[in-house]
Amino acid sequence: AQSVSQHNHHVILSEAASLELGCNYSYGGTVNLFWYVQYPGQHLQLLLKYFSGDPLVKGIKGFEAEFIKSKFSFNLRKPSVQWSDTAEYFCAVGGGSQGNLIFGKGTKLSVKP
Amino acid sequence: DAGVIQSPRHEVTEMGQEVTLRCKPISGHNSLFWYRQTMMRGLELLIYFNNNVPIDDSGMPEDRFSAKMPNASFSTLKIQPSEPRDSAVYFCASSLAGRGRYFGPGTRLTVT
Repeated sequence: AQSVSQHNHHVILSEAASLELGCNYSYGGTVNLFWYVQYPGQHLQLLLKYFSGDPLVKGIKGFEAEFIKSKFSFNLRKPSVQWSDTAEYFCAVGGGSQGNLIFGKGTKLSVKP
Repeated sequence: DAGVIQSPRHEVTEMGQEVTLRCKPISGHNSLFWYRQTMMRGLELLIYFNNNVPIDDSGMPEDRFSAKMPNASFSTLKIQPSEPRDSAVYFCASSLAGRGRYFGPGTRLTVT
């Protein structure tokens, strides 16, 4: 069955700490991978995406993610978080050009100033 | 580009009333998605359209929910009759050839 697993429900960090949010997926065939961010009270915004090519993808606001095919993972990283990164982060996986995206349950990140 | 537009932003209604949520996708996008987000269930796909045609409505909870896309620039999600358990934030999203979803601001629905 197709699924996305985000193991951390809530992560609390201090400013300047490094961040890594885990995302593992189960999906047959070619995958497209995404990370979305939802700031408090706002809608989901695309943070970064991977379709093919370099497995290390750089997104907005200093975020990056690495696709490791052998581990079925697409972890999100940021070397130094800021208070403004407080949000909920969703990993999503899809395949094909018109198919659905399967979203993980989300990881809430709280950054203490 | 104005992005995905949803209306209303907030809706409070009484149980049993009909609720209609509206969405205008990004111009040129050919796929449109309706999602529901709750604390308990997270983000759920309700239905998606490709070129105005409903492709997968398996996420629609029950017959009280219906969605239409009469043209490429407009879609509605209707709940009739509404129930308190329908209270959630409903997001519309659009995409072009599946390359990421662009979400609207959402409609926060409260059914009392």
